[in-house]
Amino acid sequence: GAVVSQHPSWVICKSGTSVKIECRSLDFQATTMFWYRQFPKKSLMLMATSNEGSKATYEQGVEKDKFLINHASLTLSTLTVTSAHPEDSSFYICSVTEETQYFGPGTRLLVL
Amino acid sequence: GNSVTQMEGPVTLSEEAFLTINCTYTATGYPSLFWYVQYPGEGLQLLLKATKADDKGSNKGFEATYRKETTSFHLEKGSVQVSDSAVYFCALLNQAGTALIFGKGTTLSVSS
Repeated sequence: GAVVSQHPSWVICKSGTSVKIECRSLDFQATTMFWYRQFPKKSLMLMATSNEGSKATYEQGVEKDKFLINHASLTLSTLTVTSAHPEDSSFYICSVTEETQYFGPGTRLLVL
Repeated sequence: GNSVTQMEGPVTLSEEAFLTINCTYTATGYPSLFWYVQYPGEGLQLLLKATKADDKGSNKGFEATYRKETTSFHLEKGSVQVSDSAVYFCALLNQAGTALIFGKGTTLSVSS
């Protein structure tokens, strides 16, 4: 199956700064990637669908100006959390679909 | 809309005990159903899946049968091991066939 990596795996930042998270499909060209958010003791929630060469599709309730998504190539999608606040602290996971969904290892964000 | 309901955890078992984690779903039509597992410190991994009614998915001794009459996809294993300790997520594929809808996850802890 597809191998998906994320970078960084851990990030701690000050409130008000922006943080970029990368998602790479290492062995599969993905026209579509997905970004999920996982809260403690909660399920994963789909945030947005990242489309190569076009705008991302955001789920209801997700602020597109807050969570900027760029899918510049078939192997890379980035999620930028702009002006991060403590409530943005979470575990962010990306995935690609190759017959089934393959997930990256996740990025844990802590905003102080 | 689509939704997945899992039994609340944590589930604590002794090694070699029988495991059942209940999962029911609400969806239009007959979506594909999945169980994902997240081991400590790792990303989500597909455990098993079933794409149509009465299908049985199986992997690593785990089984789940797609029951349309009860809209259920319960996960079972006859004899759990300490290495099975993880968080288990039930999920269904959305109507567009592009993204997964997850349950809240069930934490399993197996002691020797």
